[in-house]
Amino acid sequence: GENVEQHPSTLSVQEGDSAVIKCTYSDSASNYFPWYKQELGKGPQLIIDIRSNVGEKKDQRIAVTLNKTAKHFSLHITETQPEDSAVYFCAASIGGNEKLTFGTGTRLTIIP
Amino acid sequence: IAGITQAPTSQILAAGRRMTLRCTQDMRHNAMYWYRQDLGLGLRLIHYSNTAGTTGKGEVPDGYSVSRANTDDFPLTLASAVPSQTSVYFCASSEGARGLQFFGPGTRLTVL
Repeated sequence: GENVEQHPSTLSVQEGDSAVIKCTYSDSASNYFPWYKQELGKGPQLIIDIRSNVGEKKDQRIAVTLNKTAKHFSLHITETQPEDSAVYFCAASIGGNEKLTFGTGTRLTIIP
Repeated sequence: IAGITQAPTSQILAAGRRMTLRCTQDMRHNAMYWYRQDLGLGLRLIHYSNTAGTTGKGEVPDGYSVSRANTDDFPLTLASAVPSQTSVYFCASSEGARGLQFFGPGTRLTVL
């Protein structure tokens, strides 16, 4: 089955700087890659996703890039703010998202 | 607007007991999912349902059962709880198999 690896497991960034989280996947048939943000005591919340027919997608300060040849995708957060502090999860699925395979998460801390 | 609700919020359970975690969504989503979240392992899919009346197995289905009698409810049952089922359980829903997944607030279950 699909295997998703996520790095780093923890990341500390000075407020205003950029943060990058990377994920690799094993199944070349995967074609849907969402990113979730989880705040303490809450469920994960989708923040951005990308499908395999595009290489990059942006939404304000958040962007995701996808390299299908190398089977990796990354989350980029620019101009980081304290409210960006959370655990971020990447995921991958084939076809739809009834069987999302998640990475192990990255705890992002923004240092004021 | 409730979205997805889960009950109970937390529970301590003796090993061998039966337990049902409840999940209800009011968005009329067709698809629903149950995940467990364990430290260092991210979120793993237990069972899913693409539409009322159908269910499917995820990555870690053993020891769990689900039913989908109607669109709104998707209960998860542990027939005979074991300590390895200590985890945080998240229910999610999406409009279809390719829709965005929305997560509930989670149930923290401890099996002693």
